[in-house]
Amino acid sequence: DTAVSQTPKYLVTQMGNDKSIKCEQNLGHDTMYWYKQDSKKFLKIMFSYNNKELIINETVPNRFSPKSPDKAHLNLHINSLELGDSAVYFCASSPRDRLNYEQYFGPGTRLTVT
Amino acid sequence: AQKITQTQPGMFVQEKEAVTLDCTYDTSDPSYGLFWYKQPSSGEMIFLIYQGSYDQQNATEGRYSLNFQKARKSANLVISASQLGDSAMYFCAMREKSDYKLSFGAGTTVTVRA
Repeated sequence: DTAVSQTPKYLVTQMGNDKSIKCEQNLGHDTMYWYKQDSKKFLKIMFSYNNKELIINETVPNRFSPKSPDKAHLNLHINSLELGDSAVYFCASSPRDRLNYEQYFGPGTRLTVT
Repeated sequence: AQKITQTQPGMFVQEKEAVTLDCTYDTSDPSYGLFWYKQPSSGEMIFLIYQGSYDQQNATEGRYSLNFQKARKSANLVISASQLGDSAMYFCAMREKSDYKLSFGAGTTVTVRA
């Protein structure tokens, strides 16, 4: 009965490869997010979708492409991986129209690019 | 400009004592929410407490309380009766009504000593 799940939990790959991270939430939330946590533990928003519509697109290289097939899923595809992409990627979800509602985070995906 | 500032990179606290984690924020939006999250060494993000900009009283959740000083734009987290399991990184975050993403501070690492 996991609220926000991500797969895989760990991902080790070589530079230049393409990889995807999947996220699913069973909370009925209509908004989902991708955050990146760098090696210094700093968390930064990357993307957000509301009901399959992209609503937040921060300054992220266009090698990163989110895809939301439905409001319960938000996947992150990364092309031509670079060393600097190594980080922990968190998926999160919340109801959009409730400011006082916390965002529920997935367990994170640790991406290591060698 | 940094929206959330956490000036304490690391803190030590004796078991059973209280600890205060500082957080200041910057926004011109009159409607916003302030959140604290805990990230233990296992990596997951755990929601602790929420304070809304219009809330008259300081938020409390068990051993967690939020010292909200709106005029000073500060939202310090107080953990009372510290336990060894409180050792973790703590993040302050803000969500403005005009912008639904969470903006995080750099985090404070708390180490509880027996």
